[in-house]
Amino acid sequence: QVQLVESGGGLVKPGGSLRLSCAASGFTFSDYYMSWIRQAPGKGLEWVSYISSSGSTIYYADSVKGRFTISRDNAKNSLYLQMNSLRDEDTAVYYCARGRWRGVPFDSWGQGTLVTVSS
Amino acid sequence: DVVMTQSPLSLPVTLGQPASISCKSSQSLVHSDGNTYLNWFQQRPGQSPRRLIYKVSNRDSGVPDRFSGSGSGTDFTLKISRVEAEDVGVYYCMQATHWPPIMFGQGTRLEIK
Repeated sequence: QVQLVESGGGLVKPGGSLRLSCAASGFTFSDYYMSWIRQAPGKGLEWVSYISSSGSTIYYADSVKGRFTISRDNAKNSLYLQMNSLRDEDTAVYYCARGRWRGVPFDSWGQGTLVTVSS
Repeated sequence: DVVMTQSPLSLPVTLGQPASISCKSSQSLVHSDGNTYLNWFQQRPGQSPRRLIYKVSNRDSGVPDRFSGSGSGTDFTLKISRVEAEDVGVYYCMQATHWPPIMFGQGTRLEIK
């Protein structure tokens, strides 16, 4: 069955860095585009970043542009999010989610990994 | 950016009664390809979000038929014909017509009265 498993979250000081990973299984990873979506404590969902199935097209939310880098390794069935210059407001559960067809994304989500930015 | 506005933000419902959530977008969600990419998600307490409805009215696999989506242009609705206890959670609409960015509504919290 489809599985997306995030890892790499934790406590980091403001200005610090963290790298999240999302391990995919149960489907042909290279056929799907992927995104990171986050949810601050007690808040709603915020889309963070998108990467196409080949990795050739990438988008970011304005709130993370220039600080976060999304990447993928189709040979390892893995998605990554490098987060630099972290701020208090980046504190959230980070989910990875997949999509195959244009306009109908996020048919499967991971369980999320918590990132806490605090001094 | 397209702004998605949901109402109500809190929805107390009696078990077995219907529920309706509205989602309005700041511009038409009709894509140049003719499709309308409005999707609905459910997030039960302590769980990851789950997609319920895609392209306005198409139920995802395994979604009970008491859930239905409708609407066009800028106005959309998610309806639950008879609320069950397992429906408690937060519901989000999301547009994927004009992106980036992909935008979610603020969420509507459904609770049992």
